[in-house]
Amino acid sequence: AQSVSQHNHHVILSEAASLELGCNYSYGGTVNLFWYVQYPGQHLQLLLKYFSGDPLVKGIKGFEAEFIKSKFSFNLRKPSVQWSDTAEYFCAVVTSNTGKLIFGQGTTLQVKP
Amino acid sequence: DGGITQSPKYLFRKEGQNVTLSCEQNLNHDAMYWYRQDPGQGLRLIYYSQIVNDFQKGDIAEGYSVSREKKESFPLTVTSAQKNPTAFYLCASSIGMGGRQPQHFGDGTRLSIL
Repeated sequence: AQSVSQHNHHVILSEAASLELGCNYSYGGTVNLFWYVQYPGQHLQLLLKYFSGDPLVKGIKGFEAEFIKSKFSFNLRKPSVQWSDTAEYFCAVVTSNTGKLIFGQGTTLQVKP
Repeated sequence: DGGITQSPKYLFRKEGQNVTLSCEQNLNHDAMYWYRQDPGQGLRLIYYSQIVNDFQKGDIAEGYSVSREKKESFPLTVTSAQKNPTAFYLCASSIGMGGRQPQHFGDGTRLSIL
C-alpha cells in the first residue's frame, strides 16, 4: 500500500536553529508532493508543493523542500526557525494512480524563544 | 472571503446516536473531502466527492455516511456503527481531483463521546 512516513514526531528547537523534517513515500510512479502546516488554533494550510522541474522548491515563510527521486524523499528545511514556526507539519503525496492525497503522521515542531 | 466553514466547532455524541457535521464552501470547488485526524496518525480519508450527486469511500468509511446534493455542501454523518468516533474531523475542497490541485481546509470539528 502507498504510504508516507515522517521520521520525526516531535521536534524541539531553539530560535535561530536550522530545521530539517524528513518525509519519505512509498510509490514508484509519478507523484505530486506537498507540505502542509497547522498553526495552533488555525486551519491546515499549504506550505509548498512540488510537481515537476527544479527539485528544490521554495514556499512561504522561508521554508523550502528538496525532492530526491532516488531516495523517495521530500524533506522540509528552514535555515533559521522562529518562535512563530511552532506548529504541526504534514507531508502529503498524490500518486498518479489514485489521485488521492495521502498524509504522513505529522511532526510537531516546538520552537523555544 | 472565500473559504470552508465547518460547524459546529465542538460536538458531543451520546451512545447510539447519529450526529451530522456540516461543511460548506464558497470557493466554487468541484471536489470535497472528509478526513479524520488522530494524534500520531496524520489525516485519513473518510469520503470524497468529485462532483455533485457523486461520492466515493475513502480509506476508513465504515461507520460514516455523506451526501452531496449541492456543490457547496458536503455533510458527514457519524453513525452509531462507528465505535471509536472521538477525533478531529477536517473538511477540505479543491478545484478538481487530481495531483496538482491543492486542497483547502476548514477549521475542523472536534467530536467527543459523552
